[in-house]
Amino acid sequence: DVKVTQSSRYLVKRTGEKVFLECVQDMDHENMFWYRQDPGLGLRLIYFSYDVKMKEKGDIPEGYSVSREKKERFSLILESASTNQTSMYLCASSYPHRGQNTGELFFGEGSRLTVL
Amino acid sequence: GENVEQHPSTLSVQEGDSAVIKCTYSDSASNYFPWYKQELGKGPQLIIDIRSNVGEKKDQRIAVTLNKTAKHFSLHITETQPEDSAVYFCATGGYNKLIFGAGTRLAVHP
Repeated sequence: DVKVTQSSRYLVKRTGEKVFLECVQDMDHENMFWYRQDPGLGLRLIYFSYDVKMKEKGDIPEGYSVSREKKERFSLILESASTNQTSMYLCASSYPHRGQNTGELFFGEGSRLTVL
Repeated sequence: GENVEQHPSTLSVQEGDSAVIKCTYSDSASNYFPWYKQELGKGPQLIIDIRSNVGEKKDQRIAVTLNKTAKHFSLHITETQPEDSAVYFCATGGYNKLIFGAGTRLAVHP
């Protein structure tokens, strides 16, 4: 069965702390994504990656960075957490569809981050 | 920039009724239109999708229709059941990435 695993379901951090959110997929997918979900705003793309060691900015990359050292793992990093980064973070992976990167997304269960 | 508007934000129906959720988009280059369902405490899951060379697609009780000229597409759920209660997201995409709507919270009452 397809699986995307996010390391932490719930985190509470303090302003200024460095935060790592880890995501692992077992489907050998090329593409991995980090989204942020907020009420009334839907899912907004933070960063995505189409291959190991490559990354591209999404729509809201400010305050975030990512790392993809291995194909199955995609990490989201908050260098200095702020209260406006309190949110639900969703990781997803996908396999390219006929040369396009917009194939079916498989999501993890989410990591709810609270920054105090 | 690209934008997807989704309506309504909440929808309440009686079991057995139909539910319709509509989305409009701005990027004429979009050619992929998926719908995701998110149950409480879970990540979104694809329930149906359509590509721009097709006007309608059906899968049992759910269907999606696409009007590329008007730049809108809709999700239709017939004979709703309590297990259809969830948040539904539309999305549009071209080559690289998906843009999601704000979501519709559907409640199906027995």
